[in-house]
Amino acid sequence: AQKITQTQPGMFVQEKEAVTLDCTYDTSDQSYGLFWYKQPSSGEMIFLIYQGSYDEQNATEGRYSLNFQKARKSANLVISASQLGDSAMYFCAMRDIEGGSEKLVFGKGTKLTVNP
Amino acid sequence: NAGVTQTPKFQVLKTGQSMTLQCAQDMNHNSMYWYRQDPGMGLRLIYYSASEGTTDKGEVPNGYNVSRLNKREFSLRLESAAPSQTSVYFCASSEPGQGSPEAFFGQGTRLTVV
Repeated sequence: AQKITQTQPGMFVQEKEAVTLDCTYDTSDQSYGLFWYKQPSSGEMIFLIYQGSYDEQNATEGRYSLNFQKARKSANLVISASQLGDSAMYFCAMRDIEGGSEKLVFGKGTKLTVNP
Repeated sequence: NAGVTQTPKFQVLKTGQSMTLQCAQDMNHNSMYWYRQDPGMGLRLIYYSASEGTTDKGEVPNGYNVSRLNKREFSLRLESAAPSQTSVYFCASSEPGQGSPEAFFGQGTRLTVV
């Protein structure tokens, strides 16, 4: 079963506007972690933000915030005041435990394009 | 501080050839991962290792083997390369119990099998 679902293959946003990238997840664990990574065209994976399943507050890192809705199993990334440099692939990921080992699984990604 | 180092960065193989992708991390992490990235498919987990001496299959393990040589190194071997294994391969490491929960990635290996 797919554990991380990103339903938006591509998104467009105007510079300086906010954008929300969707992510839903599936796990039966009580303890898990959710991540967002950015992959620019150069190919490296850049960590953006983390939310633990027991964290009561939504995580924020600068212009990035994670809208964590535990009951809905969603962990959407909100980017405020978009910049041209935000154009990239964005991946949602989850760490949970399977067979006694922690593993990290990713969604298929969303390609964000910021228009001037 | 090098982080996660992958070698090689680029490789072209002929069908049927074998090769090993090397990965080493200097952050004393227990968990290490190998992913492949294909267009439209995101990062798919091939194998992972929760600690030295242990390895587990991920989503797409067929055609690959791994070795967790020690805590620092986690290698991925293609015994008989196939064109379907043309992809970008990423190694990553993490230590969930530490203050920084994120996984750190290598720069990737672009593999082409002809």
